[in-house]
Amino acid sequence: EDQVTQSPEALRLQEGESSSLNCSYTVSGLRGLFWYRQDPGKGPEFLFTLYSAGEEKEKERLKATLTKKESFLHITAPKPEDSATYLCAVQNSGYALNFGKGTSLLVTP
Amino acid sequence: DAGITQSPRHKVTETGTPVTLRCHQTENHRYMYWYRQDPGHGLRLIHYSYGVKDTDKGEVSDGYSVSRSKTEDFLLTLESATSSQTSVYFCAIKTGTNYEQYFGPGTRLTVT
Repeated sequence: EDQVTQSPEALRLQEGESSSLNCSYTVSGLRGLFWYRQDPGKGPEFLFTLYSAGEEKEKERLKATLTKKESFLHITAPKPEDSATYLCAVQNSGYALNFGKGTSLLVTP
Repeated sequence: DAGITQSPRHKVTETGTPVTLRCHQTENHRYMYWYRQDPGHGLRLIHYSYGVKDTDKGEVSDGYSVSRSKTEDFLLTLESATSSQTSVYFCAIKTGTNYEQYFGPGTRLTVT
């Protein structure tokens, strides 16, 4: 059975304090690992797809990396507007995404 | 926003009443999905559709049915709502040949 575990559950950072979020996964036949951002009261917003170990994707202050067992979302010099819940999901050979429970990030000025 | 709208955005209903939630897309994508999101559980798949009149069950399908009579609309029905179905419901679509899904704004349903 596919499993996705995100850590930490919550993270508080000072503005400019870089850190990483972790997504550990077990899946048979990974077709993709996805990162989403979700703001309160809104739907998840797609950020990145990673397909194979060693792949990296960047967008502004965010960088996602992938190994055979986990993915990291690195946040460099975060700003208060980066505060959100970050969701990780995997897809195997089926049609559905299997989501982790998310990491709630708060960046304070 | 991937051209997805959900209606209603908020609904309060009583136990035992039927409820239908609507997801509408403007871009004629083949795959559509219904998820529910609850504290401590993350997003869980209820049902999905891979074409008009083609649907299948997800992880938490008990108590829910779906219909898709047009490409653009995917309906989720709770035949007899229960308090355990109080949740936030998200519709999603899959575009093109990539596997990522794009989500609608959600419907907050409260069953009293």
